Amino acid sequence: AQSVTQLGSHVSVSEGALVLLRCNYSSSVPPYLFWYVQYPNQGLQLLLKYTSAATLVKGINGFEAEFKKSETSFHLTKPSAHMSDAAEYFCAVSTSGNTPLVFGKGTRLSVIA
Amino acid sequence: EAGVAQSPRYKIIEKRQSVAFWCNPISGHATLYWYQQILGQGPKLLIQFQNNGVVDDSQLPKDRFSAERLKGVDSTLKIQPAKLEDSAVYLCASSLGDRITEAFFGQGTRLTVV
Repeated sequence: AQSVTQLGSHVSVSEGALVLLRCNYSSSVPPYLFWYVQYPNQGLQLLLKYTSAATLVKGINGFEAEFKKSETSFHLTKPSAHMSDAAEYFCAVSTSGNTPLVFGKGTRLSVIA
Repeated sequence: EAGVAQSPRYKIIEKRQSVAFWCNPISGHATLYWYQQILGQGPKLLIQFQNNGVVDDSQLPKDRFSAERLKGVDSTLKIQPAKLEDSAVYLCASSLGDRITEAFFGQGTRLTVV
């Protein structure tokens, strides 16, 4: 079975600072990995996904994530935080084309002016 | 392209009452998921449909929850009778289902059981 651990339920950064949200996964087979963002009272929107191609994945809104098999990690980064990035971020894992996503507990990102 | 539609957006009911949620997935998406998201937690899968067949309902509390997708398009999720711990956001998602593609989520239905 697969699982996801997101370190830090709440991360706070200053506007313009680096954003780093941590995600570690557990999977018995090669995983597919995703980052989703959720704004208040909204559904989840895909930021980026890793599907065994390039290990550095670029997503929307300037976010990117790097798949590191040796560390079983898929951390999300953004060089410069913007106020509009304040939201809840979820890391998720799947193991094949049609298996459901397993989500982490989420990390709430706050951006301070 | 229209997204995943869910209704209602909000629902407040008393415990032991029944409630139903509706989901219309993106046109052409064979796979449909219902997730439960309790406040402060990540979404948890309740049930997965492939067309009108159930693929995975291992985490669905079948004594009170039921779901159907009769024509392989729209889906309804029902809770009867509701308990206080059912208060959550119920998210519907759909995907093409043929290879590794992302799931697209609706805005969810926020259920409050009092």
